[in-house]
Parts: sequence; C-alpha cells; structure tokens
Amino acid sequence: DTGVSQDPRHKITKRGQNVTFRCDPISEHNRLYWYRQTLGQGPEFLTYFQNEAQLEKSRLLSDRFSAERPKGSFSTLEIQRTEQGDSAMYLCASSLQGILNYGYTFGSGTRLTVV
Amino acid sequence: GQSLEQPSEVTAVEGAIVQINCTYQTSGFYGLSWYQQHDGGAPTFLSYNALDGLEETGRFSSFLSRSDSYGYLLLQELQMKDSASYFCAVRVGRENTDKLIFGTGTRLQVFP
Repeated sequence: DTGVSQDPRHKITKRGQNVTFRCDPISEHNRLYWYRQTLGQGPEFLTYFQNEAQLEKSRLLSDRFSAERPKGSFSTLEIQRTEQGDSAMYLCASSLQGILNYGYTFGSGTRLTVV
Repeated sequence: GQSLEQPSEVTAVEGAIVQINCTYQTSGFYGLSWYQQHDGGAPTFLSYNALDGLEETGRFSSFLSRSDSYGYLLLQELQMKDSASYFCAVRVGRENTDKLIFGTGTRLQVFP
C-alpha cells in the first residue's frame, strides 16, 4: 500500500470555475476525512465518511462544497463557483475505525490557487 | 464550540528538551493527539492520549490531564530534523461519530 494519494497535487483555476479533487485512502481504512489548511494555520475539518456514508459536514462549509465516496473507497471533493478565499491546501486523511492509537494518515494534499 | 491554544513558536538548540503545551475547551472530548508537519509536507501522527498520564514513544512523550483540559508534547534530545510545526488536536464527537479539531500549531526551530 502506498499510503493516501491525492490528485492533482496542484490546481490553478479562475474564479467562478468548478474544481474536483480526488483522494485514494489506504485500502483497509474505512474512514476518510477532508481538511483544508491555509498558511500558518492548522487543518480545518470539512467533512468525513465512514465507508460510503457522509457522517458529518462542517457548518462552516458553504453549499458550493460537496464530497462523495460512492463505493466506500476513493472520494472526491468538488468546489463549485470557486472564490479567491477557497485558495488553500486541501488534505485528505484516512483511518481505521476504533484504531485510535494509529492516528490519521494524511495525503500530501492538493494545493488550490484561485486567480 | 471548540478552541485550542498552543504557543505559536518555540526555539531550542540541538540536544535540548522542549515542551509544547496545549489547552483546550471542547464538548464531547475523547482524547488528545499530536501531529508533526514539516514545511511543504503532510501532517504525520505522533501520539494519542485518551486517558490521563504520560505516553512515551522514543524521544517524544505526550501528557494529558483531562481535569485541567491540558496536555503537552515533550521532545527530548532535539535534532535538527525536529524543526517543524507541531499541532495538538482534540478528538471530539458524539455517539458513533468523531473527528479531530486541530490547533493553530507551534513552530519549533532547532538551532545547532
């Protein structure tokens, strides 16, 4: 297993465009999380899945953000009508429910720049 | 809501010991985690404390006091490669759901 993979690594888009990011978690992990991180800040929770079910979505997240995990494996995060404030690193992480001492395994992230 | 406080920056020299404190205010607290993040890298898991006390993993130790809503990360025998940002994160939630809420991070600079 190669860990958590995210694609693309970098994305530059014009304001108003839609973007979609993909995350492939560690295969045996049933939980998948999306976080957003801006420079000098800690990761900010966006949403998470247990298998294919989306269990929680941050109230700070506008309706322009949507995430899916259709078969309980990979996940996609879509941002519609991007704004400059969406520029950030988008991190995906996975974990195995109940195995807390192993923590989350994060991917390398997708850096989004909205121009 | 939830809030976490940790110092923004700490400096130390190689071979020294440094302690990074974290205080938190949360509801539905399950435990405290620590993550390390090098510039341009992904956060990596260091430790998790669900119960009061000290957990030791090599040069790193983590402590939790649930009654004081306080924890710390202790780094011993500092090495240059320990220069990174360190985040405390509280595991919060309700029955059958949980997530991590991260602090703003402490930037550690280790000097020769």
